[in-house]
Amino acid sequence: DAKTTQPTSMDCAEGRAANLPCNHSTISGNEYVYWYRQIHSQGPQYIIHGLKNNETNEMASLIITEDRKSSTLILPHATLRDTAVYYCIVEGGNNRKLIWGLGTSLAVNP
Amino acid sequence: GAVVSQHPSWVICKSGTSVKIECRSLDFQATTMFWYRQFPKQSLMLMATSNEGSKATYEQGVEKDKFLINHASLTLSTLTVTSAHPEDSSFYICSARGAPETQYFGPGTRLLVL
Repeated sequence: DAKTTQPTSMDCAEGRAANLPCNHSTISGNEYVYWYRQIHSQGPQYIIHGLKNNETNEMASLIITEDRKSSTLILPHATLRDTAVYYCIVEGGNNRKLIWGLGTSLAVNP
Repeated sequence: GAVVSQHPSWVICKSGTSVKIECRSLDFQATTMFWYRQFPKQSLMLMATSNEGSKATYEQGVEKDKFLINHASLTLSTLTVTSAHPEDSSFYICSARGAPETQYFGPGTRLLVL
């Protein structure tokens, strides 16, 4: 499974867009990029996933570069409740396991 | 949709006793369920993968006789921590995967072994 690299922490002002980057340079053709977040003491929450096209849902947008070696999760209008650890995970192939790194700790400030 | 529940949400037990944790997919059928463990300030660690009606596949270093997993139906998997010890105290999280094949997570079970 491909590994991902994310910044350890980020800050964002409430109401502004939060852009969370992720590098996955060893991703293979059949692997998806998944984003989850974990609010303190809770189970992870699914946000969005994509293969090669950009995706948008009610929570966020996912921008995947053309070479698929990196992606950005965009929370368009961050709120205090978006403060969490955000995980970028590459999953797919025969294994189908999610391998969790340390993620990005996002702090949304008032 | 895609709701996964866990019960109990927290449990305190004495050393040497066994604890059972239930994981249910409430609005979809889960062909595969996963069990994770998370220690404070660490990321999730996959313990085992279970497919309905078959034996679970355990990750390296996870004792299958200590962490018994049963996936008897498409909506229920159980994890039993046998002869629990204080070092088993952790946050246990399950996830379920159906169709489409996204993993959805339960809220977690916090286990404290005294």
